Amino acid sequence: AQSVSQHNHHVILSEAASLELGCNYSYGGTVNLFWYVQYPGQHLQLLLKYFSGDPLVKGIKGFEAEFIKSKFSFNLRKPSVQWSDTAEYFCAVNAGGNTPLVFGKGTRLSVIA
Amino acid sequence: GAVVSQHPSRVICKSGTSVKIECRSLDFQATTMFWYRQFPKQSLMLMATSNEGSKATYEQGVEKDKFLINHASLTLSTLTVTSAHPEDSSFYICSALIQGMNGYTFGSGTRLTVV
Repeated sequence: AQSVSQHNHHVILSEAASLELGCNYSYGGTVNLFWYVQYPGQHLQLLLKYFSGDPLVKGIKGFEAEFIKSKFSFNLRKPSVQWSDTAEYFCAVNAGGNTPLVFGKGTRLSVIA
Repeated sequence: GAVVSQHPSRVICKSGTSVKIECRSLDFQATTMFWYRQFPKQSLMLMATSNEGSKATYEQGVEKDKFLINHASLTLSTLTVTSAHPEDSSFYICSALIQGMNGYTFGSGTRLTVV
């Protein structure tokens, strides 16, 4: 079975600071990797996903993530955060096909002026 | 496109009563729906997978007689929490699989409080 570990529970950054949120997964087979964002009071929205190909994936709102197979990692990055990036971020994996997503515990990002 | 509407967003019920949560796919056919539960500061935990027209598959440790899932049509899946107790208080989220795209769309969640 897959499992996902997100290292940071709560991250506080000033506006314009760079962001990196860690995500490691545990699974022996091929996985698909996702990052979702949940703004307060809203549903989960897809930021980006990786299935195959270029391990550096670019998503919406200036986010990107890099899949490092040897480290079982899929860290999320953004060079300069904005106040509007304040939200909960979830890393997730699935084993492909119609399988459900397995989520990490989430990282709360607070961006302060 | 691919929107799932989840209702109610919040519900407070008395202990011992039942609560039904609905998820409707508005502009696509949801063959497969996943139901998750989220505790405060915890991850989304998969409760069950439902496929239209067949019985739901429950994850280990989830009581199927307590959490009744019905997926009778391609646009509606429901989760009924029967004989609710305070420990059932949680945030419940549905997610529909978008066929052919390996994508998922999520409902906005239901905050259940059992008093």
